[in-house]
This record gives sequence, C-alpha cells and structure tokens, in this order.
Amino acid sequence: GIQVEQSPPDLILQEGANSTLRCNFSDSVNNLQWFHQNPWGQLINLFYIPSGTKQNGRLSATTVATERYSLLYISSSQTTDSGVYFCAVGGSGNTPLVFGKGTRLSVIA
Amino acid sequence: DAGITQSPRYKITETGRQVTLMCHQTWSHSYMFWYRQDLGHGLRLIYYSAAADITDKGEVPDGYVVSRSKTENFPLTLESATRSQTSVYFCASGAGVNYGYTFGSGTRLTVV
Repeated sequence: GIQVEQSPPDLILQEGANSTLRCNFSDSVNNLQWFHQNPWGQLINLFYIPSGTKQNGRLSATTVATERYSLLYISSSQTTDSGVYFCAVGGSGNTPLVFGKGTRLSVIA
Repeated sequence: DAGITQSPRYKITETGRQVTLMCHQTWSHSYMFWYRQDLGHGLRLIYYSAAADITDKGEVPDGYVVSRSKTENFPLTLESATRSQTSVYFCASGAGVNYGYTFGSGTRLTVV
C-alpha cells in the first residue's frame, strides 16, 4: 500500500517563528489531508489538498502531486499551535486515508 | 447536536469481555471509518463503510467486528478483548472516500 513519511518527527519553536512540515508519499493520490491533534487528543481537519495551494489564516499548504509531496506552513507560531500534525493520503484506488506518523510541534513562549 | 459523537469517552474492560464502541454522525455522510491510535504507529484503519450494510476491512481488522444497519451509526465491537487492543479509537465520517474526513473525539479503551 501507499507509504507516507513526515518530517521532521519533532520540532520545537519559539513563539512567533515560522515552520515548514513536509509529507512525502510513495504513489499517486486522490486525497490528501492535513490534521492537527491538539494536546487534548482532538483531531482537527486543517486542509483537504490533493493538489495545489490553500491558505487559512496563518496556515497554508501546498501539494505537488507530480513530485509526491505536500508542505504545511505555519507562520507566526503561537503556543496554541502545539500538538501533532498528521498528513494522511488516499491512493489512486479510492482507498481510505493512510496516516503518516506525524510531526510533534512544541511552541514555547 | 450536529456532528460526530463517540461513546463512551473512556472505558476499562477485562480481558475476554465483549465491548462495543459507538459512533453516531448527523450529516448523513455515506462513508464512516474506524481508526486506532497507538504510540509509534500513528493512526491505523480498522474497518470502514461506504454505506449502510457495506463494510470493508482496513489494515488491522483482526479481533474487531462492525455493522452498519443505519447510515448514521457505525458501532465497533471487540468480541473478546485482549490487552493488545488497549488504544485510543477514533471514528470518522466523510461524504466520500476522497472527501474531507471529520473525526470524533475518540474513545480511550483500556483492557486489563
């Protein structure tokens, strides 16, 4: 099945800093989503982005499907951005999302 | 309330017992999913359903049973719980397999 690799596994930022999280996948995709799992365990859908670029406030994401990667940008980070960010992809066979292992982000004041 | 709800939020059960985790969504989404989250493994798909009475196995289906008699409900049953099934279980729904997924708040299950 499709493989999903996220980097870096851990990231510590000072409040106000910017960051880029990367997601590489092994095959063509029909679905790609980014999620944030907050410290209370809740999974929040950030972006549905199988291709192209989207922005939502301080967060933006870009997927280059032909090169099999996606990037999540966080600008002017805040302590509330802390948590784990997951990339999940659905392959070309119309299969459910497969999750990467996540990037754990800690934003310190 | 609109959304996707899981119950119970926390459950402790004994090895060998049957336990059912509930999932209910109010959007009439055709697809529903069960994932488990374990340290070191991320989220892994257990079962999913494309519509009422249509279910399919995911990556880790052994030891679990699902049913979907109504579009809005997708219960997950552990027929004889084992310690290896201690995990956090998430239910999700989506309008299609290639649409955005919305997750419930999770059920933390401990098997002792």
